[in-house]
Parts: sequence; C-alpha cells; structure tokens
Amino acid sequence: GQQVMQIPQYQHVQEGEDFTTYCNSSTTLSNIQWYKQRPGGHPVFLIQLVKSGEVKKQKRLTFQFGEAKKNSSLHITATQTTDVGTYFCAGRSMNRDDKIIFGKGTRLHILP
Amino acid sequence: NAGVTQTPKFQVLKTGQSMTLQCAQDMNHNSMYWYRQDPGMGLRLIYYSASEGTTDKGEVPNGYNVSRLNKREFSLRLESAAPSQTSVYFCASSEGQSRGEQYFGPGTRLTVT
Repeated sequence: GQQVMQIPQYQHVQEGEDFTTYCNSSTTLSNIQWYKQRPGGHPVFLIQLVKSGEVKKQKRLTFQFGEAKKNSSLHITATQTTDVGTYFCAGRSMNRDDKIIFGKGTRLHILP
Repeated sequence: NAGVTQTPKFQVLKTGQSMTLQCAQDMNHNSMYWYRQDPGMGLRLIYYSASEGTTDKGEVPNGYNVSRLNKREFSLRLESAAPSQTSVYFCASSEGQSRGEQYFGPGTRLTVT
C-alpha cells in the first residue's frame, strides 16, 4: 500500500539556524499538504502543493513539491522559538481510493 | 464558528468498558475523519466518512465503530476497550475527500487501564 516516509524523526537546532524536513512517498501523489502541531495541541494546516515542481513561501517557511510528485520538503530559515512543534506531511494518493496518508512527523526542538 | 469540537477532552476506562467519542463540525463540511496519535507513530486513520451516509475503514479500524449521525456529527465507539487503545484521538473534517485542508478538533486523551 501507499507509504509516506518523513525524515528526520527529531531535529534539535540552535535558535537562528535553518531546519529542513523531507517527505517521500512510495507512489505518485495528486497533492501534498503540510501541518504543524504545537506541543499539546492539534495539527493545523499550513499549505497544500499540487503542481509538479511547485514552490511556495510563507514568510520564513519554504515548501517544495518534487518534479515527480513523490517527494516534498519544508525548509525554515532562521528558526525561532515559536517554530517548536511537530511538522507533518500528508500525501493524497492518485489511486481510486483517493486516501490521504500522514507521515510520522518531524519533531523540531529549538535550543535557546 | 467553533470549528471542530470533540467531547470528552479526557477519559479513563477500564479494560472491557465501552464509550463513544463525539465530534461535531459547524463548517458544513462533507467529509469527516477519526485519527489516533501515538508517540512516534504519527496520525493513523481509523475511519472516515466521505459524505453524509457513508463510512469507510482507514488504516487501523479494528476495535472501533463509527456513526455519521448527520452532516455535522461523526462519532467513534469503542465497544470493549483494550489497553492498546490508549491514545490521543483526533476528529477532523474537510470540504470534501479530494479537496481542501483538514481541520482538526482539540483531541480526546484516552487511557485504558
């Protein structure tokens, strides 16, 4: 079945350093979404990517969707303490079942 | 607009007890979902309802049942709770199964002893 792998599982960075999390699917995706979950909170939608090679920016966050629509990345420039949390990718299958599968997430911890 | 609401927020059950987790959304969304979240396992889909009147199994449906009561409400039932069902349960909704982001409720933290 479809799998969505996300790496790394954990990342500790100094405040001000950059951070990247990667998402890889075993199958071609129709789109990919990114969510952020603060400690003790619930996942909150960040962005959706649909087109092959698409790049979108939200302030210090840059999201990319691979040319083959099988991988994606989220890059945060100059991390701040407010970036702490777990970042999940969620890929929607191009198969008939059209299911969305979440990656296991990358937990980001910021060292002051 | 309350978005997605879930009750209860916390629950402790003994093995073998039953309970129903309630979820409601006020965004007129067609699709609703139940996930469980365990440490290191991410979000795993239990059941979903693509539209009112339909429900389908997700990745981990065993031990659970669901009811799409109407367009607003989607409940999750544990008939005979087991310690392996200790988890945080999230309900979510989206405009449609193939479109739009998912909006999550605040979660229910369930412990089965």
